[in-house]
This record gives sequence, structure tokens and C-alpha cells, in this order.
Amino acid sequence: QKEVEQNSGPLSVPEGAIASLNCTYSDRGSQSFFWYRQYSGKSPELIMFIYSNGDKEDGRFTAQLNKASQYVSLLIRDSQPSDSATYLCAVNEGAQKLVFGQGTRLTINP
Amino acid sequence: DAGVIQSPRHEVTEMGQEVTLRCKPISGHDYLFWYRQTMMRGLELLIYFNNNVPIDDSGMPEDRFSAKMPNASFSTLKIQPSEPRDSAVYFCASSLLKGLFLDTQYFGPGTRLTVL
Repeated sequence: QKEVEQNSGPLSVPEGAIASLNCTYSDRGSQSFFWYRQYSGKSPELIMFIYSNGDKEDGRFTAQLNKASQYVSLLIRDSQPSDSATYLCAVNEGAQKLVFGQGTRLTINP
Repeated sequence: DAGVIQSPRHEVTEMGQEVTLRCKPISGHDYLFWYRQTMMRGLELLIYFNNNVPIDDSGMPEDRFSAKMPNASFSTLKIQPSEPRDSAVYFCASSLLKGLFLDTQYFGPGTRLTVL
């Protein structure tokens, strides 16, 4: 079973600061990496995906991938209270399956 | 598009009863996934289908669980008999193959199951 590890948190960040979420994975063959956001009582929704080493930016969100270290991270700039949620890291297993981490609970304090 | 539709949204039942969860994927999507989410184990893949055919059911916890997809627009997950440890949120998700890899998985709102 492929493993995806995340710090469960909670991670508390002041409003306007940068929130940094981290994820490590066990399968060196993984090629696709996803960050999902899940509000309490709601379903996961995709916010970022990354396939190549380096950074990928989308608005206030930046995904960073380092395949040599088997590490993927998500940075949220100018954090807002509406960013308070659980963030799930997911990694492909083969072409068709995703393995999810346990999630990191993020709280943005006004 | 209405997105992935699941029913019921909440289900409370007693141990030993049969439970049937339903899912309608996004039209045109050829992959359908059933997940279970608990605090202890997180989000786990139970089974997935491609073009209505079950591809991988290795995540189904035991024979009490079964899933079907009789057509492209409908799938069921059945638990018979149900046990208190089956209490969880069950999500259905659908996706489309683009090139070699799947596109984004879109999740339904989930069914919160409580087995007393």
C-alpha cells in the first residue's frame, strides 16, 4: 500500500501570513500530485495539481514538488479566514487511482 | 452540470440492516470511485469502475460490502448486514481519462452513515 503522510495539525496561522502545508509520499514512481481542500461537513474539492518538479502558482496558492525528496507542499499566501479547512494531499497510484493523506487541519486566525 | 449526485445525504440504521447508497456521476465521465472517510483512517478508496466495469475492489473491507454500476449514470454501494464500525461518510467521485492519466476527480456531497 502506497503511503502519503501529512502532519494532521491543527496548523494555526494569522490572517495575512503564509500557510505552509507539507506532504511526503512513499512511491518513487508517483507522477501526479494533488491538493484538495475540504471544509467541515463538505466534500473534497481540487485546488491544485502538479506533475513536474519545481513550483506551480495559481493565484494565492503555490504547489511545490521535489521528486528526489518525495516531498510536495502547498503554500497559501495572504491567508484568509475562508482558507480555514482541512487540506488533503493525494498522489497517484498507477494511472487511475489516488492515495490520500490524512489531511492537515488549517485554521486562519483573524 | 449538476455535479455528482448522492443519496441519501444522511442514513441512520440499526446494526444488521441492509444499507444502499446511491450515486449518479457527472455525465460523460467514464470513471466512478467509491470512498469512505473516517477520522481514524482518513479517505480510503473502496472500489472504482471504468465504463461500468469494476476495475479494483481491493479496498472493499469485507464481503458485507458490494457495489454495482448497472449503467453509465448510476451506481450503488450496499452494506449487508451493517455494523456500527461501518459508520462513516461515503463519497462517490467521478472522473474522465485524459491521455494517460485521469483528470480531476469530482466528489459528490457524501452520505453520512450512522449504524446504531
